[in-house]
Amino acid sequence: QVQLQESGPGLVKASETLSLTCIVSGDSITRNWWSWVRQSAGKGLEWIGRADTSGATNYNPSLKSRVSVSLDVARSQFSLKVNSVTAADTAIYYCARDGTRSAPWHMDVWGQGTTVTVS
Amino acid sequence: QSALTQTRSVSGSPGQSVTISCTGTRNDIGGYNYVSWYHQHPGRAPSLVIYDVTKRPSGVPDRFSGSKSGNTASLTISGLQADDDGDYYCSSYAGYGQVFGEGTKLTVL
Repeated sequence: QVQLQESGPGLVKASETLSLTCIVSGDSITRNWWSWVRQSAGKGLEWIGRADTSGATNYNPSLKSRVSVSLDVARSQFSLKVNSVTAADTAIYYCARDGTRSAPWHMDVWGQGTTVTVS
Repeated sequence: QSALTQTRSVSGSPGQSVTISCTGTRNDIGGYNYVSWYHQHPGRAPSLVIYDVTKRPSGVPDRFSGSKSGNTASLTISGLQADDDGDYYCSSYAGYGQVFGEGTKLTVL
């Protein structure tokens, strides 16, 4: 059974960099894209971006200048970095398994989410 | 990158059917067959119920069905059950990545 677990600091100071990691267990990280999604309190979902093992990435244009997603195949994990954070980046951050070459755009396995507050 | 438009809330009694709509543009829903639907209970992570407009992941009952016409996608839930309540989000490929809908709150009466 595939499981994803987010980890990282729950509190980040404004103007600094938010860094989160998602550990993947029960599946090979090589077959899929891997995404990050966030949800502000009481709000909807916002897709942040994704990466695959070839180094290819896709990003939400509204965040593209400040975010990066990368994979570490050896450690079976992937990461998110958000630069120059503000209070608007306070949210629950979810990692998710995204599509494959044959079915590229949907997220079928999600982590439980981790809350990040920007102070 | 505007969010897709969803009805704010819907409700139905157990056993009834409800349909949730999601409206976009020709640049997202209308241009691709990559519409997904996610169900989220309060305080929980979302879970996938429909992908590629009409496909159901393993384990999702056939009470859930998806469709699309032009720039609007729909999710129909038949035989409503208490556990179906919560928020439903549509999502579509939009040429650069994925865009979500605003969310629809389903209340099972």
